[in-house]
Amino acid sequence: AQKITQTQPGMFVQEKEAVTLDCTYDTSDPSYGLFWYKQPSSGEMIFLIYQGSYDQQNATEGRYSLNFQKARKSANLVISASQLGDSAMYFCAMREGNNNQGGKLIFGQGTELSVKP
Amino acid sequence: NAGVTQTPKFQVLKTGQSMTLQCAQDMNHNSMYWYRQDPGMGLRLIYYSASEGTTDKGEVPNGYNVSRLNKREFSLRLESAAPSQTSVYFCASSVAGHFYSNQPQHFGDGTRLSIL
Repeated sequence: AQKITQTQPGMFVQEKEAVTLDCTYDTSDPSYGLFWYKQPSSGEMIFLIYQGSYDQQNATEGRYSLNFQKARKSANLVISASQLGDSAMYFCAMREGNNNQGGKLIFGQGTELSVKP
Repeated sequence: NAGVTQTPKFQVLKTGQSMTLQCAQDMNHNSMYWYRQDPGMGLRLIYYSASEGTTDKGEVPNGYNVSRLNKREFSLRLESAAPSQTSVYFCASSVAGHFYSNQPQHFGDGTRLSIL
């Protein structure tokens, strides 16, 4: 079974509008972390935002926020005020455990976001 | 501030040839990782090294070997390359420990490997 599922292969959003990229996860470990990365067409992986399983509040980093619904096992990325430079592939990833023995990540398949002018 | 450096950036091999991908990080990170990225499949973990002196298999280790040469360097070797190993390979590093749980993995720029 997929541990990280991103159900939207591609998304379009109008410039300056908000967009939500979906991510659901599956784990029985009570301690885990969720990460979002951006991969532009140039290929590098850029870290965006982190949410820990014990965090009480949803994470925010500038225009990025994470809609964390623990009971539903979802960690959706919200990008506000989209910009043309936001066009990229976005990956959701999960680290199981408490990071004491190496924090290997499990990645979803990604969502390709295109921002229209 | 180099971060994670991978060499080479591009490589074309013939089936059966061997090759070592090099990775070095200058962030004093404990843990290092090798992933491969194929179209439509996200990144998959090949091998990782939680700390200097240890290595472990990831999701797709067959056909690969790794060496954690020291704290800075983690190499990936293809002993007998196959067309199925055509992919983009990413090296990453991170700091280990519970108190650093919110710290992300830092990625190199990738190696684009084609096997004919």
